[in-house]
Amino acid sequence: DQQVKQNSPSLSVQEGRISILNCDYTNSMFDYFLWYKKYPAEGPTFLISISSIKDKNEDGRFTVFLNKSAKHLSLHIVPSQPGDSAVYFCAASEAAGNKLTFGGGTRVLVKP
Amino acid sequence: DAGVTQSPTHLIKTRGQQVTLRCSPKSGHDTVSWYQQALGQGPQFIFQYYEEEERQRGNFPDRFSGHQFPNYSSELNVNALLLGDSALYLCASVGGTDYNEQFFGPGTRLTVL
Repeated sequence: DQQVKQNSPSLSVQEGRISILNCDYTNSMFDYFLWYKKYPAEGPTFLISISSIKDKNEDGRFTVFLNKSAKHLSLHIVPSQPGDSAVYFCAASEAAGNKLTFGGGTRVLVKP
Repeated sequence: DAGVTQSPTHLIKTRGQQVTLRCSPKSGHDTVSWYQQALGQGPQFIFQYYEEEERQRGNFPDRFSGHQFPNYSSELNVNALLLGDSALYLCASVGGTDYNEQFFGPGTRLTVL
């Protein structure tokens, strides 16, 4: 039972354009949602998070949108840079600091 | 300020052996979680330790056990290794003033032959 799904395994985008990554979840008890970036041979790096009381959170080039009724969240990266090429994971938890349930990841390639 | 550290970086074991992985949390963090990441998949939660007690556990068999020490560092032990235990094992810590952001270590790559 996959409670968090990232349906796009890969995404290719031109440098300077917008990258949009999507994530769907099924567990209505999830209250916190996070995005992580992962390079090969490194641990995941936290990017941005959002709690269920909000529908948008911005941090520099990264914006996360949450649609609770649709159980859907997305990560927008604007503008995309070659250094953004990595695997991005969406994760969710029922409470802050609790176990994270991860999606399968989306590999992003930003072309110069 | 050191982040989350893990040792060893890589490990090769044979089936049936036992392994111990180690994790030191980020300074100021008191809660440690362990995750298993198989190739091409997202990390899967194994368990979480707080105040030297297992607070949450994922869907992993009893062969997976852990410990947290008074200095908040943690160990993950896996007994009777199977080929399917080959994976990247990640440690994450949380604590301080922001309990939402979990910081991950670089992981230990375990290969079981």
